Amino acid sequence: DAKTTQPPSMDCAEGRAANLPCNHSTISGNEYVYWYRQIHSQGPQYIIHGLKNNETNEMASLIITEDRKSSTLILPHATLRDTAVYYCIVRVEDGANNLFFGTGTRLTVIP
Amino acid sequence: DTAVSQTPKYLVTQMGNDKSIKCEQNLGHDTMYWYKQDSKKFLKIMFSYNNKELIINETVPNRFSPKSPDKAHLNLHINSLELGDSAVYFCASSQNLGGGTQYFGPGTRLLVL
Repeated sequence: DAKTTQPPSMDCAEGRAANLPCNHSTISGNEYVYWYRQIHSQGPQYIIHGLKNNETNEMASLIITEDRKSSTLILPHATLRDTAVYYCIVRVEDGANNLFFGTGTRLTVIP
Repeated sequence: DTAVSQTPKYLVTQMGNDKSIKCEQNLGHDTMYWYKQDSKKFLKIMFSYNNKELIINETVPNRFSPKSPDKAHLNLHINSLELGDSAVYFCASSQNLGGGTQYFGPGTRLLVL
């Protein structure tokens, strides 16, 4: 059920912006892009989601390309506590409400 | 003030035993879930419940039986435990069945010897 492709790992210097890419070339018109992260030994944590427009909240920004085939999660000022596995998920807002987690990107923030 | 809580945090048991994991959410959500994360870190949905009614059963062996006594609780009973059941089990909740924003518990680490 892998509808997204993400790099397996990335490094980012502390204090710099972390840009995590995600390809979802087969995304349907009614599928949203969701981002979650899982810090070591903890439960996954919701970050942000969007359909077409770019979105921003207190945690991150989500940039979705115009053709919706890819997106980028931006953590504007990465801290050591942002070290985690980041999952990009596409899903329809329907009753099944399944979240299919792929392998994600392991982001390591370096001091 | 934990939003989604699970007990126990760790569970070590012998093959063949029956065990339960409890989950409670204090968010007033209608929908609750159980996920399994195996040793390779793949996280897969097992069940979802909406207003105490089973919605999704993702081809999980019938040794696993979820029970929802009320909207705020979704417990997971596992009969005749096998070595392959060793994993981390996460409970989650969402406001309703359609939304994709889920809140996860801290996980229960199950080790079957």
